[in-house]
Amino acid sequence: EPEVTQTPSHQVTQMGQEVILRCVPISNHLYFYWYRQILGQKVEFLVSFYNNEISEKSEIFDDQFSVERPDGSNFTLKIRSTKLEDSAMYFCASSESRVTDTQYFGPGTRLTVL
Amino acid sequence: RKEVEQDPGPFNVPEGATVAFNCTYSNSASQSFFWYRQDCRKEPKLLMSVYSSGNEDGRFTAQLNRASQYISLLIRDSKLSDSATYLCVSTGGGNKLTFGTGTQLKVEL
Repeated sequence: EPEVTQTPSHQVTQMGQEVILRCVPISNHLYFYWYRQILGQKVEFLVSFYNNEISEKSEIFDDQFSVERPDGSNFTLKIRSTKLEDSAMYFCASSESRVTDTQYFGPGTRLTVL
Repeated sequence: RKEVEQDPGPFNVPEGATVAFNCTYSNSASQSFFWYRQDCRKEPKLLMSVYSSGNEDGRFTAQLNRASQYISLLIRDSKLSDSATYLCVSTGGGNKLTFGTGTQLKVEL
């Protein structure tokens, strides 16, 4: 069964450093998403991406964040200057097309900012 | 008011019990609804979509009441493996999923 993969599984970084989280969505999917979950809190939407551009973003997704699909398979989330409060689990998801299509989640990257 | 509201639990039930979870949503424009399951420190996984007509998948039954903006999940004959956090999820236009905080279920021997 096809699945979304994410690397690394755990990233530790110093405050102020840049991090890039990587995702490989399911190959025939057209919509890509990033969500995050701070420990003990709910899953929160960050951004959706379609046709090589952001289609929607939340208030959390400020100028420190950016997304890119650098090639035909990878989808990345960059945090330019990490803060302590960026420590969370970051999930990538993808869906085939329409809003009612199932979003499949990757296993997540645990980001720890020290 | 939270967009999607759930009782956090935990619900501790014996194996074989029937358990019901409820969820309310505030955005009347919400289009689609889902129940996801999340195991500790793992990714959310789709359990089932929720339709106004109600839908059943084995031991799981989901129901949507648009007039009351209320969603339910019923689990019959609980198994130890059903222990997890159950996430009520809506889409409110666009493709983003809006998650509740989840309801924790613990099934015990």
